[in-house]
Amino acid sequence: AQTVTQSQPEMSVQEAETVTLSCTYDTSESDYYLFWYKQPPSRQMILVIRQEAYKQQNATENRFSVNFQKAAKSFSLKISDSQLGDAAMYFCAHNTGGFKTIFGAGTRLFVKA
Amino acid sequence: ETGVTQSPTHLIKTRGQQVTLRCSSQSGHNTVSWYQQALGQGPQFIFQYYREEENGRGNFPPRFSGLQFPNYSSELNVNALELDDSALYLCASSLGVTGGSGELFFGEGSRLTVL
Repeated sequence: AQTVTQSQPEMSVQEAETVTLSCTYDTSESDYYLFWYKQPPSRQMILVIRQEAYKQQNATENRFSVNFQKAAKSFSLKISDSQLGDAAMYFCAHNTGGFKTIFGAGTRLFVKA
Repeated sequence: ETGVTQSPTHLIKTRGQQVTLRCSSQSGHNTVSWYQQALGQGPQFIFQYYREEENGRGNFPPRFSGLQFPNYSSELNVNALELDDSALYLCASSLGVTGGSGELFFGEGSRLTVL
C-alpha cells in the first residue's frame, strides 16, 4: 500500500534562514510523482514543487528545492531565504500516475520575523 | 482562466441529515477528485470522477456518493451524517486521470460541521 509519512508536525524558521521539511513514502511502483503542496490558513492548497521519480536531478523552483533519494524513499523540501508568506501547512504527496494522490499528515511551518 | 470554486464555504448540519457540496472545475479540466480533510490531518481521497463516471474510490462508505456533469462540475453527497463527517471537503480538478503532471488544482473547500 502507498503511504506518505511526515514526521515533523511543526517546524519553525527565522525569516531569511533555511528550513528543511522531511517526508518518506512507500510504494512498490518504479515510476511515480512526488509533490509538495502548501496550504496557507483559510486559503487554497497550491503546488509548490513536483518531482518525477525517473528523473535523478532534484527539482528546483526559485527558493524551493527538493532532495529526492529514491532508494531511501525520501523526499525532503528545502526552503531557502524563508519569508513570512511561507508560513503554512506543507503536505508531501505521492501519485503513481493513477487516480489517487496520497497525502501525508502535514507539517506546520512557522516563520519568525 | 477560472479556478476551482466550491460552495457552500461553510455549513452546519445535524446527525442523520444529508448534505450536497458543489464544485466547478478549472476551465479545461475534465477530472474532479474529492478529498476529506479532518482537522489537523492531511487530505484523504474519497473518489474521482472522469467523464461523468466514478473512476476510483477511497476507503469511504457508500453513503458518500457523487456526480459529475457534462460541463465537468461535480457534486459530493453525504447521507446519514455522522459526527465524524465534520471536516473540510476539498475538490480538486486535473486534466486526465493518468500520466501528465498529476498536479491537482484545489478549491478553497467546504467546511462541514455536524452537530
